Amino acid sequence: GENVEQHPSTLSVQEGDSAVIKCTYSDSASNYFPWYKQELGKRPQLIIDIRSNVGEKKDQRIAVTLNKTAKHFSLHITETQPEDSAVYFCPLGGNQAGTALIFGKGTTLSVSS
Amino acid sequence: KAGVTQTPRYLIKTRGQQVTLSCSPISGHRSVSWYQQTPGQGLQFLFEYFSETQRNKGNFPGRFSGRQFSNSRSEMNVSTLELGDSALYLCASSGGQGFSEAFFGQGTRLTVV
Repeated sequence: GENVEQHPSTLSVQEGDSAVIKCTYSDSASNYFPWYKQELGKRPQLIIDIRSNVGEKKDQRIAVTLNKTAKHFSLHITETQPEDSAVYFCPLGGNQAGTALIFGKGTTLSVSS
Repeated sequence: KAGVTQTPRYLIKTRGQQVTLSCSPISGHRSVSWYQQTPGQGLQFLFEYFSETQRNKGNFPGRFSGRQFSNSRSEMNVSTLELGDSALYLCASSGGQGFSEAFFGQGTRLTVV
């Protein structure tokens, strides 16, 4: 079945530094790669996503890169700010549209000022 | 546009009882999924409904069941509650046609005593 692993599980950076979170997956049929951010006590929210036919996507300070051959995709956050502190998830969306997402354990990012 | 609404927000039940949680998706969304979130296991997929049919199912015992109505509202039922069922239950909705953002509700916090 589908499986996704995230690294690292925790990440602490200083404000202004960059942060990189990497996810590897096992199902080569996956076509959709979203990233969700969950702040403490709040619901998960989509921050960026990428389709399998795109290698990179950028939105202001965040970017996602996809390597389908190696089956991994990464989230890059530049110029981190304290409000970036949250748990980040890279669920697999599979090859079927809808809300069935397979989540990994998540990465807890702490940005200290 | 109203977001995903889950009721109730908090619930306390006794072992052995059953519970029903409700999720009203964003208007027009046809895919609704349910997730269980615990500190130890993270976010785990329970099941997905699309147009009143269960389309995907996670690895949970048969005590966990759900349904979707013609207006896309969904309910989740847990029978014979166990202490380990204490968790935050989240539902998410999306259009279900083509890969798109899954919007999460605020969740129902279930405590089993």
